[in-house]
Amino acid sequence: NAGVTQTPKFQVLKTGQSMTLQCAQDMNHNSMYWYRQDPGMGLRLIYYSASEGTTDKGEVPNGYNVSRLNKREFSLRLESAAPSQTSVYFCASTGGQGGSYEQYFGPGTRLTVT
Amino acid sequence: GQSLEQPSEVTAVEGAIVQINCTYQTSGFYGLSWYQQHDGGAPTFLSYNALDGLEETGRFSSFLSRSDSYGYLLLQELQMKDSASYFCAVRNYNQGGKLIFGQGTELSVKP
Repeated sequence: NAGVTQTPKFQVLKTGQSMTLQCAQDMNHNSMYWYRQDPGMGLRLIYYSASEGTTDKGEVPNGYNVSRLNKREFSLRLESAAPSQTSVYFCASTGGQGGSYEQYFGPGTRLTVT
Repeated sequence: GQSLEQPSEVTAVEGAIVQINCTYQTSGFYGLSWYQQHDGGAPTFLSYNALDGLEETGRFSSFLSRSDSYGYLLLQELQMKDSASYFCAVRNYNQGGKLIFGQGTELSVKP
């Protein structure tokens, strides 16, 4: 089991460029999440998908879009990158029904927007 | 709105015991989780409390008081490798299992 994988690991973009961050999990989890983490800060939820076919906004959705492609994959798109989106992006998933509470995190994507 | 408060930094010596507190304000509270994150790494799950009381897992324990909207993480027999950031996070009802994280407590363990 690879767990949660993210690509790319590092990315540098110029202001206005677009890109998609990819996330996949092989644990048959229903729910998936995208967070961003800025230096010295906690994780802030951007978007989440409680189950395949649904997506919802989190705390900081502006400037981002998501796609839950299938049960395994959940991508995050920046349409027009801004320096304020420089951050570390983590994808996470949690499984099963009802009582699941442990989120499994990917290794992160370090994004710099110049 | 929702908010969580935890100390920004804690320092302790190897072998000691340290307690990291977390107070929260939220509606529809379901449970409180704790995560550990080493520098540059991904957060990893430590513990979860949905009911009042103490949950023990090896050297780590977590406590919850729902009436006080308060919890803590207790780390015993501290080791150098415990130096990391620790985050509390709340889970609310019917919100797809999403978590709202505190800003984290940076624990430094000194020899």
